[in-house]
Amino acid sequence: EIVMTQSPATLSVSPGERATLSCRASQSVSSNLAWLQQKPGQAPRLLIYGASTRATGIPARFSGSGSGTEFTLTISSLQSEDFAVYYCQQYSHWQTFGQGTKVEI
Amino acid sequence: QVQLQESGPGLVKPSQTLSLTCTVSGGSISSGGYYWSWIRQHPGKGLEWIGYISYSGNTYYNPSLKSRVTISADTSKNQFSLKLSSVSAADTAVYYCARGGAYSGYASLIDYWGQGTLVSVSS
Repeated sequence: EIVMTQSPATLSVSPGERATLSCRASQSVSSNLAWLQQKPGQAPRLLIYGASTRATGIPARFSGSGSGTEFTLTISSLQSEDFAVYYCQQYSHWQTFGQGTKVEI
Repeated sequence: QVQLQESGPGLVKPSQTLSLTCTVSGGSISSGGYYWSWIRQHPGKGLEWIGYISYSGNTYYNPSLKSRVTISADTSKNQFSLKLSSVSAADTAVYYCARGGAYSGYASLIDYWGQGTLVSVSS
């Protein structure tokens, strides 16, 4: 099983600031990496797939980068609606998820 | 607009079988290119893929759960179902049904989710 490790567990930022979240895979997943956002009481939502492609309707302030085992999600200027938990997901071999990064004020 | 809705018992006794159904509206589960998944989330924890059934009826399961999982579909009702046998407290979770396949044909990339249903395992 490919283990996904996210850091940090919690990220404290202010509205308007830049947020950078990291995800590491235990073995190469090429670019088969997605980022999801989950708000309390809601199902997750796909933000990024293919490591860097935004899903339909996702604002341009969300961007992804990386390949192989190291990946980054950047939120360029945090809006109030962006405070949530973010998960990375590999789909290179079946699918596994990271433990999440909580972005809080 | 595709909508998915989970239904089933919210409480299951240990060693029994958990059974959930997902009713899909706004699209047919037999439409080509889509995969119908079950994913769970333990309370306060991350996400775990359980398995999916393809538009053609092929099934794929998480190896760690494979021995206990069955996913099936009823195209006449536009529903797909999950059965998880021999449950224990470790199976207490929110269970989501979801649709994948819309992005680059990858089954694992979900564009629509159900709202989720909490299933507790307790005597």
